[in-house]
Amino acid sequence: EDQVTQSPEALRLQEGESSSLNCSYTVSGLRGLFWYRQDPGKGPEFLFTLYSAGEEKEKERLKATLTKKESFLHITAPKPEDSATYLCAVPSGGSNYKLTFGKGTLLTVNP
Amino acid sequence: NAGVTQTPKFQVLKTGQSMTLQCAQDMNHNSMYWYRQDPGMGLRLIYYSASEGTTDKGEVPNGYNVSRLNKREFSLRLESAAPSQTSVYFCASSDVGGARLFFGEGSRLTVL
Repeated sequence: EDQVTQSPEALRLQEGESSSLNCSYTVSGLRGLFWYRQDPGKGPEFLFTLYSAGEEKEKERLKATLTKKESFLHITAPKPEDSATYLCAVPSGGSNYKLTFGKGTLLTVNP
Repeated sequence: NAGVTQTPKFQVLKTGQSMTLQCAQDMNHNSMYWYRQDPGMGLRLIYYSASEGTTDKGEVPNGYNVSRLNKREFSLRLESAAPSQTSVYFCASSDVGGARLFFGEGSRLTVL
């Protein structure tokens, strides 16, 4: 069974304190790994797609990396506005239409 | 620049009542999806429509029906609501399968 596990469940950082979020997956034939950001009361918002091991994508203070078993979302010098839940997802069940989401990491950045 | 629009945003039902959640997208996307999000469970796919005229079951389809009314609109119907269907429902769309999803703001449903 395809699975996506995110850790930690929650992370509290001080402004400027860099850290990483983890997304480990077990899926046959990875067809992409997606990262989304979700603010309270809102729908998820797309951040990155990674397709192959070794690939990296960056956006402002965020950098996503991919290995054969996991992906990391690195947050450099975070600001309070980076506080959100970060979700990762992979296509599963042999279908590009069926995304399996992890349960997310709730990131809180204190000023 | 509306993107994906869901209605209603909030709804309270009694057990056994029926209702329809409406979703419309203005991005000319081919594919549309309905997810539910529950605490501790993450986002789970209920149904999806790969293209106009087609619908398929996702991970948790029981108790739900869907209609792809046209390319823009995809509705989710609860025929006889149960407390277990209390959740936040998200509609999403994508250009094709495997592409990034664009989500609506969600519909919060409570079944008493």
